[in-house]
Amino acid sequence: DAKTTQPPSMDCAEGRAANLPCNHSTISGNEYVYWYRQIHSQGPQYIIHGLKNNETNEMASLIITEDRKSSTLILPHATLRDTAVYYCIVWETSGSRLTFGEGTQLTVNP
Amino acid sequence: KAGVTQTPRYLIKTRGQQVTLSCSPISGHRSVSWYQQTPGQGLQFLFEYFSETQRNKGNFPGRFSGRQFSNSRSEMNVSTLELGDSALYLCASSSNLQLAGRADTQYFGPGTRLTVL
Repeated sequence: DAKTTQPPSMDCAEGRAANLPCNHSTISGNEYVYWYRQIHSQGPQYIIHGLKNNETNEMASLIITEDRKSSTLILPHATLRDTAVYYCIVWETSGSRLTFGEGTQLTVNP
Repeated sequence: KAGVTQTPRYLIKTRGQQVTLSCSPISGHRSVSWYQQTPGQGLQFLFEYFSETQRNKGNFPGRFSGRQFSNSRSEMNVSTLELGDSALYLCASSSNLQLAGRADTQYFGPGTRLTVL
């Protein structure tokens, strides 16, 4: 699976959009981009995934660049409960293991 | 639909003992994966079971083992516990849609916090 690079930490004001970047320059054609988040000491929570096109669900939007070498997770109106570590994972899904990196610690401030 | 459940949520053991952790996947999910999370190593893959067979294994010693039952419920066992086995053990289930050429998604349980004294 391709490796990902994320900033170690980010801050966001409550009510503002949080834009979390992820670089995955070695991604291959059959690998998906997945985002999970983990609130302290809880199990990781699935957020969204995509292959080529931008995706949106009730939690977030995922913007993938045309060359697929980077992506951005957007939380449109961040709340204090969105404070968590966010993991960007590139995954072929034919394999069964997710490879987690260090992730980005997002802190939403009041 | 109920999520992934793990029991117990917290466990305290002493060195040399063994422990068994349980995971019930989301209804209809046939694949169960286990992960270990520690502050030093982060989240690491232990193994995955599908249709009662271990299909994939991470780089952990043989003291870590698991099994899956016909109802897809899974257990993992750690024998001869060491201090370094203190961790959050996470179970994730997926429907294994990859067989149909579609993206699969793993859904995690809340974890079992194991403390070895």
